Parts: sequence; structure tokens; C-alpha cells
Amino acid sequence: SQQGEEDPQALSIQEGENATMNCSYKTSINNLQWYRQNSGRGLVHLILIRSNEREKHSGRLRVTLDTSKKSSSLLITASRAADTASYFCATDAGTGNQFYFGTGTSLTVIP
Amino acid sequence: GAGVSQSPRYKVAKRGQDVALRCDPISGHVSLFWYQQALGQGPEFLTYFQNEAQLDKSGLPSDRFFAERPEGSVSTLKIQRTQQEDSAVYLCASSWGGLALYEQYFGPGTRLTVT
Repeated sequence: SQQGEEDPQALSIQEGENATMNCSYKTSINNLQWYRQNSGRGLVHLILIRSNEREKHSGRLRVTLDTSKKSSSLLITASRAADTASYFCATDAGTGNQFYFGTGTSLTVIP
Repeated sequence: GAGVSQSPRYKVAKRGQDVALRCDPISGHVSLFWYQQALGQGPEFLTYFQNEAQLDKSGLPSDRFFAERPEGSVSTLKIQRTQQEDSAVYLCASSWGGLALYEQYFGPGTRLTVT
């Protein structure tokens, strides 16, 4: 079963705009990670944020984590057509032995 | 160095056949995960290895699924008596650290179609 849910399920924006995706999860965690998947390809790690962190940046990516609300957001600034992909959040569900992905947000960036 | 590789990339099996899917993780990576991804869904956790030890297999959907990593490197996911509901992409990922506490590197997946 999925541990997390992303919102929205699909997002379509113009190139240059910012894209925000949200993720909610159910149990306590050690860390939350965001991955990107281009159509028909494997997943690529984007960013990892630990449970004691509130915000993290990597290039055009900004991730926030609110453990009290069990939620995270991924912001992609100045989007490009190449950012078109599905984005997944994933958590370890506190145990460390398991790793659960959300349902994903499909992002389309229109050139 | 090379990334995670999986073989075969595509597999068509008739219902009832056994299949074996191989994963070559990045050399030296301690952790190895298997996932099942249905079309339009996120990957679903199947099992986790730390070196050669299978620490969690709670995600395996039935006793027809079996995974091993005998020498702590290459792993094989075996599905016996395949069923149509087993059709999916099977993803393998490895990470240098233990448990699900580090970045995972994914292979391209094996697309299994059961007819």
C-alpha cells in the first residue's frame, strides 16, 4: 500500500513558472525523499530531507517538511520543458527497513 | 562507475511460467531494494537486503515471490507460476548506506508481461 499521497495528481504549467507539489504521509519517519521519473524510465533521486530538518534547497528545488502535519512540499522554480516528468515523495515509515512511495504528481511544462 | 543494471529489460511470460529477474547494484552498495510498479502508480516496496541478509520481505505479495542476494551483491527476484496480476515493472535500487536512510539509485526496471 502507498504510504504517501501527492497533490495534485497532475499539474500543467508554462515554462518559466514555478511548480509546487505536496506530499502527505501517514507514519513517523526518519527522512523523506523526492524522486523524478521520466516516462518509461527509472527513478532519479532529487533531494533528501531528514526529520529534524524543515527546509532544504538544491539548485532550482526547494523542499519543506512539516512533521507535525506529516506533509512535505517540493517547489521547482523557473520550470523548463525538461522538468516534465512524474514526481514522487517517499519515506522510510520510521522502520528503516521499508521504503514507501506516494502516488505521484505528473508535471507537464509547456514550452 | 556503472549504475544499477537490470536484466532482462523486457520479459513476456505465459501464465504459469516461472521467471527470474536480475539486478546488478552499484559495486560496494550495502542496501538493495526491490519494487513493483504498476502502470500509472508509484513503486510499491517488495523487499530489502542489507548485504546478503534479507531484512524485510513484508511487501512480497505472495509466496510465489522469492528474492535472494547470496553474496551481498547481485540479487535475483523469482516469481513462480506467474499470474496476469504480476504484470508490472520491477525496479531494483541500491544505496551505499544501511536501511532506507540514504539516496537510492534505481535501475531501468524489467517490464514483465504475463499473457
